[in-house]
Amino acid sequence: KQEVTQIPAALSVPEGENLVLNCSFTDSAIYNLQWFRQDPGKGLTSLLLIQSSQREQTSGRLNASLDKSSGRSTLYIAASQPGDSATYLCAVFKAAGNKLTFGGGTRVLVKP
Amino acid sequence: EPEVTQTPSHQVTQMGQEVILRCVPISNHLYFYWYRQILGQKVEFLVSFYNNEISEKSEIFDDQFSVERPDGSNFTLKIRSTKLEDSAMYFCASSEVIPEETQYFGPGTRLLVL
Repeated sequence: KQEVTQIPAALSVPEGENLVLNCSFTDSAIYNLQWFRQDPGKGLTSLLLIQSSQREQTSGRLNASLDKSSGRSTLYIAASQPGDSATYLCAVFKAAGNKLTFGGGTRVLVKP
Repeated sequence: EPEVTQTPSHQVTQMGQEVILRCVPISNHLYFYWYRQILGQKVEFLVSFYNNEISEKSEIFDDQFSVERPDGSNFTLKIRSTKLEDSAMYFCASSEVIPEETQYFGPGTRLLVL
């Protein structure tokens, strides 16, 4: 059974610092990995999708890396801003199985 | 930009009552999903739906749950007899042509069972 873990559970940084969020998964037979942002009491906003054949995906200040063989992905957010404060979730799409399996999220606070 | 919508945003119901949660997926999407998030816990998969039938469901999705696409735009989740433990945020999602593509999530319906 696929297990997805995100460490740390919470992170507080001063504005301008780079953020590094970690995601690990137990079963490397994934099709892709998706990073989401969730604001309190709100839905999930897709940030990046990285295919299993890719090592990296970038969108603006966001960069996601994937090491499928070791079961890890990292989301980097450059030059953090207070508006980046939110919970960040990673989720894997297994090769056989029409569903996403989510990690518990990392709650980020960027202090002005 | 097209988005997934859900109604109602909040629903309060008594234990044992039936509830129907509604979703309008993005119009050209073919795969539809329901997930839920109990307060403080992970987002959990409930069911996926394609071509008017369930393609996968989790252990949570027992006989008390059902899904339907009653017309060309709506996608519904029915809970026949709600339990206290059904209290959660329910998210609908859709993806375009193949399930491996990005899943787009709606804003959620917060269900409270009393």
